[in-house]
Order: sequence, then structure tokens, then C-alpha cells
Amino acid sequence: NAGVTQTPKFRILKIGQSMTLQCTQDMNHNYMYWYRQDPGMGLKLIYYSVGAGITDKGEVPNGYNVSRSTTEDFPLRLELAAPSQTSVYFCASSLDRGKGGEQFFGPGTRLTVL
Amino acid sequence: GDSVTQMEGPVTLSEEACLTINCTYTATGYPSLFWYVQYPGEGLQLLLKATKADDKGSNKGFEATYRKETTSFHLEKGSVQVSDSAVYFCAYRGSNYKLTFGKGTLLTVNP
Repeated sequence: NAGVTQTPKFRILKIGQSMTLQCTQDMNHNYMYWYRQDPGMGLKLIYYSVGAGITDKGEVPNGYNVSRSTTEDFPLRLELAAPSQTSVYFCASSLDRGKGGEQFFGPGTRLTVL
Repeated sequence: GDSVTQMEGPVTLSEEACLTINCTYTATGYPSLFWYVQYPGEGLQLLLKATKADDKGSNKGFEATYRKETTSFHLEKGSVQVSDSAVYFCAYRGSNYKLTFGKGTLLTVNP
């Protein structure tokens, strides 16, 4: 199993541009998540999904959109990129949301908005 | 609201030194507690977890005990190695099943 894969690894955007961060998992997990990691700030949840066709906002959803058309894929869309969206983005998945459920993380996408 | 507070870094140790990274939480109910580790250039990996009071999680020589009376889940290792150099995150999952992370502690172990 490849686990959770993310593309691209790095990207530089200009203010106002848009892009999609790709995330795919091959573990047949129902739950998927998008986090952003800012220096010294831990991880903040952007959006999550409990299954295909179902998504919900996390802690910091503004400026982002998601879709979940299949179990495997959970792309994150940035519209009108802003410097405040410069961050490292992690996708994660879990089999369930139970108390002991482990989240598996992808390697991350480092995004810079200039 | 619910939150996790962990020891500020960075922490620099010599090989074979003892490690403690403090973590306390504020939450209602009975959360599950986790330590994740992030090696340079990689995503987070689960290091250990505990799902109820007095449980001890352990892995790779690291240990942490879920202390409900002090709302703590401190990470400990008796003898660190250079390969333990990484960022360590304390996290909990409460009744809403979402993970809340601490800010992370950078550990550097020198030979």
C-alpha cells in the first residue's frame, strides 16, 4: 500500500491564482482530513469528510473548498490565493472516527503565495 | 474550549540523555490522547496512544501515561538517540472525534 499520497510536494502561487492540492489514499478509509501547519502553531483542521459525497468544515475553512466524489480522493481547492495561505498542507485518513482511531498522514504540500 | 498545551521547544539533548516533553489538556469527558512524531520532510506518524485513564502507551522506547487527575500525558524516553531528532506533537480526540494538536516540540539529539 502506498498509504496517503499528496501532490504536488511544493508550489509557488501568485496572489489571486487558484490551485488544487491532490490527496489519494489506498487503504479504503472512510474518513479523510485536510490540515494546515503553520510554524510553531501545530495543525489546524480545514475540512474533513466522513465518506464519499459528505464533507464538513473544520476550524479554518475560509478560502478553501473540498469535494469527495470517491472513497480514495479528497482534493483541496484554493480559490484566489492569499499570502495568509502560505503553509504546509497535510492530508490524512482514518478507518473510522472511534476514540482510538489512528490518522495516517501524507507527506505534505508546501505552498508559498507571493 | 478544548485545548492542548505542550512544552515549548526547541529541546536539545546529548545522545543517551533522558527526555521528558510535557503535555496537558483541557477537555470535557474522556478524550483519547496521542503522541505523533514528524521527522524532517515527512508527514506525521502516530508514536503512541492511550484511550482511557491510567493507560500507558509505549513504542520505540517512548512512554506516556494518561493521568486524568492531572490532565497530563507527558512523553518520556530514558535514553534518546540521534535518530529521535524530530518534532513531537501531543494531541487528543474528544467527543466530537476531531483531533486537536499541540503546537509541537522540536527535539534535536546531538552525538
